[in-house]
Amino acid sequence: EIMMTQTPLSLSVTPGQSASISCKSNQSLLHSGVRTYLYWYLQKAGQPPQLLIYEVSNRFSGVPDRFSGSGSGTDFTLTISRVEAEDVGIYYCMQSIHFPRTFGQGTKLEIQ
Amino acid sequence: EVQLLESGGGLVQPGGSLRLSCAASQFTFSSHDMNWVRQGPGKGLEWVARFNGDTGLRDYVDSVKGRFTVSRDNSQNTLYLQMNSLTVEDTAVYYCVRDTGGWGRFDQWGQGTLVTVSA
Repeated sequence: EIMMTQTPLSLSVTPGQSASISCKSNQSLLHSGVRTYLYWYLQKAGQPPQLLIYEVSNRFSGVPDRFSGSGSGTDFTLTISRVEAEDVGIYYCMQSIHFPRTFGQGTKLEIQ
Repeated sequence: EVQLLESGGGLVQPGGSLRLSCAASQFTFSSHDMNWVRQGPGKGLEWVARFNGDTGLRDYVDSVKGRFTVSRDNSQNTLYLQMNSLTVEDTAVYYCVRDTGGWGRFDQWGQGTLVTVSA
């Protein structure tokens, strides 16, 4: 089973500032030298999770461009530039190169 | 608008069984892998099972192997999760999740159904 480790587990950000979340896997998520199966999801209070970023750096439809993903191999980062109040929630990374699919522990983003 | 509507959750005693259903609409159900993901109270997300839309292959997290069975009825656009020998650790909200592309792009989630295992 691939372990996904997120840091920090919580962060508090002033509106307009940027925030970064790290996600590390204990195995490479690069498949056949072509695609990397690392995803980012956001769960807002009382809602199911929603897809933000797929395959490391691709924003899903409707996701604001202040969200960006980067990284390779085993180290990945989600960056939110110009944080807004609506960005509050818990962010999860997930790997899907192998079964079982595994999620990080989640990072709770709060607004100061 | 794509919809995934779970049902079948409830209170069950340890050792009991429950079958969850997920009714899908407004997309070609048969061409998508479908998953169950759960979230225990105050906990993170845990992937539970997948039914491959092309091959019919099923995959499970180790903790449910031999107890849970994922199935689907493409004629009814419905995904199921049969859960047997339930334990308190299975208490969670269970989400039905669509995978577009078959590699974890979980782009549609249902609202979830709560399963509570308690004596």
